[in-house]
Amino acid sequence: NAGVTQTPKFRVLKTGQSMTLLCAQDMNHEYMYWYRQDPGMGLRLIHYSVGEGTTAKGEVPDGYNVSRLKKQNFLLGLESAAPSQTSVYFCASRDGDRDLIHEQYFGPGTRLTVT
Amino acid sequence: GQNIDQPTEMTATEGAIVQINCTYQTSGFNGLFWYQQHAGEAPTFLSYNVLDGLEEKGRFSSFLSRSKGYSYLLLKELQMKDSASYLCAVRGLGDYKLSFGAGTTVTVRA
Repeated sequence: NAGVTQTPKFRVLKTGQSMTLLCAQDMNHEYMYWYRQDPGMGLRLIHYSVGEGTTAKGEVPDGYNVSRLKKQNFLLGLESAAPSQTSVYFCASRDGDRDLIHEQYFGPGTRLTVT
Repeated sequence: GQNIDQPTEMTATEGAIVQINCTYQTSGFNGLFWYQQHAGEAPTFLSYNVLDGLEEKGRFSSFLSRSKGYSYLLLKELQMKDSASYLCAVRGLGDYKLSFGAGTTVTVRA
């Protein structure tokens, strides 16, 4: 199993450009998450999904959109990139039973720079 | 919401013990997680506490006191490979999400 994979690993954008980050998981997990990580601020939740076809806002959703058309994929879109969106983006997934531990499994991250 | 605090940095000597504290304020509680993150890599799960007390996993132990809103991660017999950031995260009651602290960077010196 590949676990959680993210595409691309690195990207440089100019202000105003758009892009989509792809997250894929092969563990049949129900829940998927997008985080950003900035120095000194830890992981902050952007959007998440509790199942195919559903999405919800996290702590810092502005400037991002998401879609979960297939259970195994979770896409994060930046419609008009801004320098403040320079960050490392992590995708994570976990399975669906809230009564058990069910830790989140993280992808390797995407380093995005907006100039 | 959650408010999670942990020290920014800690330094220790190879073979020693280090204790990383985490305090939290939460409107509901359904578990506390510790993750390890090496520089440039993804976080990986270390431990989970939902009841008060100590959970031991080899050289790593994690403690929880729900009444005090307090947890610690204890790393024993430190090795150079333990140099990493350690993230404390809290799950709210009935919540699908985790709230993370800013992380504690541990540097192990020879």
